[in-house]
Amino acid sequence: DAGVTQSPTHLIKTRGQQVTLRCSPISGHKSVSWYQQVLGQGPQFIFQYYEKEERGRGNFPDRFSARQFPNYSSELNVNALLLGDSALYLCASSPRTGDTGELFFGEGSRLTVL
Amino acid sequence: EDQVTQSPEALRLQEGESSSLNCSYTVSGLRGLFWYRQDPGKGPEFLFTLYSAGEEKEKERLKATLTKKESFLHITAPKPEDSATYLCAVRGANSKLTFGKGITLSVRP
Repeated sequence: DAGVTQSPTHLIKTRGQQVTLRCSPISGHKSVSWYQQVLGQGPQFIFQYYEKEERGRGNFPDRFSARQFPNYSSELNVNALLLGDSALYLCASSPRTGDTGELFFGEGSRLTVL
Repeated sequence: EDQVTQSPEALRLQEGESSSLNCSYTVSGLRGLFWYRQDPGKGPEFLFTLYSAGEEKEKERLKATLTKKESFLHITAPKPEDSATYLCAVRGANSKLTFGKGITLSVRP
């Protein structure tokens, strides 16, 4: 079975640009979460979506937005990129929201902002 | 706000030298404590979930335990392939995972 897939795997942008990251969850999983991992730190929660609705938001500015599609895939958008947005962006899926079970992570999208 | 503190930040072991990794946490309404393994440039890989104090889980050379304030990941007779960063996370009442910074483990042959 395919795991969580993310694209692109690596990308380089310049300050002020916009970026869109994509995620396909494990088949049958309806919840998708996004995390930002800066080098040397643990992942930080950005968003959770379930059944196309936002179910949670972390402490990130409004430049960060996301959405979930009817097929449960998801996009994370970041506008007006800053140098500090350079990080590994991780997508995770789970069967349902509010679950006590584990999250399954993709390999991440490595964003470098110059 | 939920908090997770992991120690030590880095640990170097000789192959076969057993040790423990610590995860201290504060959380409102614990709905699970999770251990993940992360290799460089990869996403975290799930290892264990613990739900209540006194619970233990084992997998190969790894054993996770949970108290009301801490969790330990015990590594018995580690091998070089156990080298990785080990992340601890808690899920609280708001259902989001809060991660610690991780512990980088290096096992020398």
